[in-house]
Amino acid sequence: DAKTTQPNSMESNEEEPVHLPCNHSTISGTDYIHWYRQLPSQGPEYVIHGLTSNVNNRMASLAIAEDRKSSTLILHRATLRDAAVYYCSRIQGGSEKLVFGKGTKLTVNP
Amino acid sequence: DTEVTQTPKHLVMGMTNKKSLKCEQHMGHRAMYWYKQKAKKPPELMFVYSYEKLSINESVPSRFSPECPNSSLLNLHLHALQPEDSALYLCASSQVGQGLYTEAFFGQGTRLTVV
Repeated sequence: DAKTTQPNSMESNEEEPVHLPCNHSTISGTDYIHWYRQLPSQGPEYVIHGLTSNVNNRMASLAIAEDRKSSTLILHRATLRDAAVYYCSRIQGGSEKLVFGKGTKLTVNP
Repeated sequence: DTEVTQTPKHLVMGMTNKKSLKCEQHMGHRAMYWYKQKAKKPPELMFVYSYEKLSINESVPSRFSPECPNSSLLNLHLHALQPEDSALYLCASSQVGQGLYTEAFFGQGTRLTVV
């Protein structure tokens, strides 16, 4: 049980920003928020993770609400290659138990 | 080398067969994972090895038997499987350091069909 809630699907246009929400209202103080994505016919791929502060890397940004009960994965300019299922997970600090939620299927329109 | 290599890529086995899935990584990661994924569903965690010891077993039936012979290798031994065990089996690895878990790297998976 990933204890996260995500929309089943979202749609975006190419080169536009995409905001993928995740609800984790029962998160504890030591839980990290992780995002993975899975492209068709591939294994999941790490995207980003954070604890309290907003995080940026070359793939995306992670915005974490001040109360940490929700977070948003931001793809700044969606490309067709970003079409995938995006999974939001919470992992207790120091734990290796990575459990996936149901995920959001992102469709990117040309 | 940031690859997790799984073999075979495809496997068809009968319900009375014994087979093994193999996973290998050379990133020095000390946590290794097996997941099962059915079509259009998220990966389900099965087992986790940490420092070559089984640390998590998500109540997986005994017809699935994991083994971690060394820090680079992970096997999943299969025996007397059922058709509903047909799925994509994914292996992953991650670093463990200072009590913190880091990003997991996944293999491409083994597509298993039980006939």
